[in-house]
Parts: sequence; C-alpha cells; structure tokens
Amino acid sequence: GNSVTQTEGPVTLSEEAFLTINCTYTATGYPSLFWYVQYPGEGLQLLLKATKADDKGSNKGFEATYRKETTSFHLEKGSVQVSDSAVYFCALGNSGGSNYKLTFGKGTLLTVNP
Amino acid sequence: DVKVTQSSRYLVKRTGEKVFLECVQDMDHENMFWYRQDPGLGLRLIYFSYDVKMKEKGDIPEGYSVSREKKERFSLILESASTNQTSMYLCASHPLAPKGETQYFGPGTRLLVL
Repeated sequence: GNSVTQTEGPVTLSEEAFLTINCTYTATGYPSLFWYVQYPGEGLQLLLKATKADDKGSNKGFEATYRKETTSFHLEKGSVQVSDSAVYFCALGNSGGSNYKLTFGKGTLLTVNP
Repeated sequence: DVKVTQSSRYLVKRTGEKVFLECVQDMDHENMFWYRQDPGLGLRLIYFSYDVKMKEKGDIPEGYSVSREKKERFSLILESASTNQTSMYLCASHPLAPKGETQYFGPGTRLLVL
C-alpha cells in the first residue's frame, strides 16, 4: 500500500537558517504529492503541491520538487522565520475521482527561535 | 473563501457517552473525510464519504460510525466513548476532481474522554 516517511522531529532552528524536511514515499502509479502545514491550534492547510514528476511546488518561500527516481519530495526554505514554527506534513494522493484519499506522514514539528 | 467548520473546538465527555462531532463545508464538495491526529502517529483516516448517504471505512473505523444526510454535513459518531478515543479530530472536504486537488481542513475538535 501507499506510505509516506518524513523527517522525524522535532527540528529546532535559529531564525534565517536553512530548512530541509525530508519526505520519501511508496506508491503505485503516479501519485500527487503535497506539503501541508498546521500552525498551533489550527487545522491543516495546503502549503504546496506537485502533480507529476519534476514538478516544483512553491509557496511562501518554501519549495519542493517531485523526484520520481528517488521517490522523494523534500521541503526546503532558504531562510526560516519565527512565524514558520508549525507542524509540517508530507502527503500523497492516490488517484482522482470518488476514490481520492490522502496518505500522510507522521508530521515534523519545526520550532524557529529568534 | 472556502470554509470547513466543526461544531466544537473542545469537548469533554465521560466514558460510555454517545458523542457527535459535526462538520459542515460550504464548497459543494462531494468528498468528506474524518481523521484523528495523535502525537507520533500523524493523521489516520477514520471514515470518508463520496456522496450523500455513501460512506467507506478508512484505516481505523473501529468504535466509530458516520452519517451524511446532506451534502454539506458529515457527522462522526462515537457510539460509546472510551478513553483511547481521546484525540484531535479533523474533518476535511475535497471536490470530485482529477488528482492533485486540495483537501480543505476544518480547525479540529480536541476531544477528552474521562
């Protein structure tokens, strides 16, 4: 079945540091890949996505590239801010239509200190 | 702006009580989902529904049931709450669309079963 493995947290960085959160997946077919973010006390919201190999998703300074050859979708940001402190989830979507479901990783807690 | 709302942000219930968690979306989405979120386990799918009165079991349906009488509303029912159902519950919705479409999440209900 489908599965997602991501960096086990917590991750603690200083402001302006470089961020990488690793995500690898196992899936049949050609899944879509997502990064969701959960700020304290809130639900999940989409950060970025990619729907096919070599696509790059980007938003708010975060980037991730869909690498089919390494089955990876690593999240990066060049300079993190305190406001980026949150839990980050990598997820894959198996197919479209009525059977569409997401499989999530376990989440990575990021804390950015001033 | 898209919106998924959940009836309560916090709930405290006693063991054996019947518990209803309500979720409403205003986006006319066909698919709706219930997840539970636990530290170290990420998000796990309890049930989902792809149409009114239709439902399918997710990965951890035991101890839960669902109801979808109207397209916009999806209810999660704990028939007899137990302490191991203490968790954060997240509702999400998603349109019937090709792959890559985003799931939209509510703010979550934090349930404590005593």
